[in-house]
Amino acid sequence: AQSVTQLGSHVSVSEGALVLLRCNYSSSVPPYLFWYVQYPNQGLQLLLKYTTGATLVKGINGFEAEFKKSETSFHLTKPSAHMSDAAEYFCAVSVSGANNLFFGTGTRLTVIP
Amino acid sequence: EPEVTQTPSHQVTQMGQEVILRCVPISNHLYFYWYRQILGQKVEFLVSFYNNEISEKSEIFDDQFSVERPDGSNFTLKIRSTKLEDSAMYFCASSEGWTSGGYNEQFFGPGTRLTVL
Repeated sequence: AQSVTQLGSHVSVSEGALVLLRCNYSSSVPPYLFWYVQYPNQGLQLLLKYTTGATLVKGINGFEAEFKKSETSFHLTKPSAHMSDAAEYFCAVSVSGANNLFFGTGTRLTVIP
Repeated sequence: EPEVTQTPSHQVTQMGQEVILRCVPISNHLYFYWYRQILGQKVEFLVSFYNNEISEKSEIFDDQFSVERPDGSNFTLKIRSTKLEDSAMYFCASSEGWTSGGYNEQFFGPGTRLTVL
């Protein structure tokens, strides 16, 4: 079975500071890993994904994440936070051939001017 | 850009009443999903639907729940007799199908917040 743990339900950073949102997963088979972002009153938007190949993946809006198998982690980072990054971020895991995604509880990112 | 839409954005109902949540998936997509998120908890998979039938469902999706694609555009989730614990945000998603990479990218709607009183 698959599961995801997101450490920190709320993260606050200053504008221009590093963003680090943590995600650890559990999977008995090679996982597919995703980060989704939800802006107020909008749907979950795919930010980036890891399926196979390069373990450092780049997504939209300057975000990137690194798949670390030894640490079972897929942390999301951005070098410099922007006010527009304020949103809820969800980490999710799936496996090949599966219909469903397993989500974490989400992390609300606040960016302080 | 095509997007998944959901109506209503917020639904308030009395316990024991039936509710229908509506979704319009992206037009060329073939797979449809419902997820829910109880406040403060994980987003949980409910059901997936393909070729006019349920392809997978979770333990949450009991006999109180049903899904339907009544026409070529809508995808609905019905809860027959709502309970207090059904209060949650319900997300609809759709996907085109499997990529050569073996994953199935799902596109989500904005959600319907269901409040059961």
